[in-house]
Amino acid sequence: DSGVTQTPKHLITATGQRVTLRCSPRSGDLSVYWYQQSLDQGLQFLIQYYNGEERAKGNILERFSAQQFPDLHSELNLSSLELGDSALYFCASSFLAGMNTGELFFGEGSRLTVL
Amino acid sequence: SQQGEEDPQALSIQEGENATMNCSYKTSINNLQWYRQNSGRGLVHLILIRSNEREKHSGRLRVTLDTSKKSSSLLITASRAADTASYFCATVLFNQAGTALIFGKGTTLSVSS
Repeated sequence: DSGVTQTPKHLITATGQRVTLRCSPRSGDLSVYWYQQSLDQGLQFLIQYYNGEERAKGNILERFSAQQFPDLHSELNLSSLELGDSALYFCASSFLAGMNTGELFFGEGSRLTVL
Repeated sequence: SQQGEEDPQALSIQEGENATMNCSYKTSINNLQWYRQNSGRGLVHLILIRSNEREKHSGRLRVTLDTSKKSSSLLITASRAADTASYFCATVLFNQAGTALIFGKGTTLSVSS
């Protein structure tokens, strides 16, 4: 058990809909990362928050947004969903960030299926 | 964007054999990390090697780092069926959008008994 909790584990929805994925980081970790994993794209970095502020941005679509709350949990919002958004979405946490980023602790992921 | 590239993409071996996976990266690093992912599960950190280290061991794992060639290798000795998984290298990528840990596409290891 990594200590990172992601909900929901599975989600099935229709094109055009909006979903919210939730992540609770490991106790004491200030940094939260979101990654998308699909067969064709591999593990893509989406966005990172550190202590409530956006720290780094990757291949995140404009239809997607995220935030980190004062209690450090994070939510990833996916809107106007398309078939191609079907993927496994991972949240990870770490204590440090930036160039000194050490070990990341990953949740078990949220599997999104868009029909 | 991809910072690390693993090679080979897939590797099939018998139990007891050694498995070697390679990772090449593009920019200067502070450290390089290796992770393991069982099918459909979250990634698990295996080992971190700093840029001033050349070799590191952890149990049956041996990692080497050659910063002059911008490459690293992960050796798993005496493989077991339970080692069947995907293995990823990861490095920190710095650009105008910030710094984040970026993963390669991974090597899928299959160990048969």
